[in-house]
Amino acid sequence: EAQVTQNPRYLITVTGKKLTVTCSQNMNHEYMSWYRQDPGLGLRQIYYSMNVEVTDKGDVPEGYKVSRKEKRNFPLILESPSPNQTSLYFCASSNREGYEQYFGPGTRLTVT
Amino acid sequence: GENVEQHPSTLSVQEGDSAVIKCTYSDSASNYFPWYKQELGKRPQLIIDIRSNVGEKKDQRIAVTLNKTAKHFSLHITETQPEDSAVYFCAASKSVGGADGLTFGKGTHLIIQP
Repeated sequence: EAQVTQNPRYLITVTGKKLTVTCSQNMNHEYMSWYRQDPGLGLRQIYYSMNVEVTDKGDVPEGYKVSRKEKRNFPLILESPSPNQTSLYFCASSNREGYEQYFGPGTRLTVT
Repeated sequence: GENVEQHPSTLSVQEGDSAVIKCTYSDSASNYFPWYKQELGKRPQLIIDIRSNVGEKKDQRIAVTLNKTAKHFSLHITETQPEDSAVYFCAASKSVGGADGLTFGKGTHLIIQP
């Protein structure tokens, strides 16, 4: 089954404790992105990757890091999480021809 | 960068009536405009999209129109049903399919009244 998976689905952590949210897709897609969703603000792009070892900033990259060492994986790293990073995070992928973006199930992160 | 404005933020319609959601964008280089539906607690899912070389696209009860000159596009849902209740997001991208990222509007909460 073609899908985008994220782990964990829910995470409560404390300020400053490094964390990683994993994202994996099994569709051989070149393009992958991370978004955060906040009430009243819609979805905002954090980072995207157009291929292995190629990443670029989106609209709200501050406080986040990403890596793309393998085509199927695109982890989101929060080196020192802060309460303003409490949000719902979605990973998405699409193929080179630019058909629709497939979204993962989301990760709800709470930073206290 | 691109800026997408979406209106209204909440829309309540009677079951069976039509619903229209409107978006405007700022970057004339944008050429791909998808609409996503997000049900409570679920991921966004593409319901329809339109490319800049097309003025209108229809899929059963859903249609999207695009006016490139005015930089606005709209979602039309006819004969609304209870299962249409959700949050709808418009988006814009310079890459077809939005492969290098989508700029989203802030969403419209569509409520279908029985």
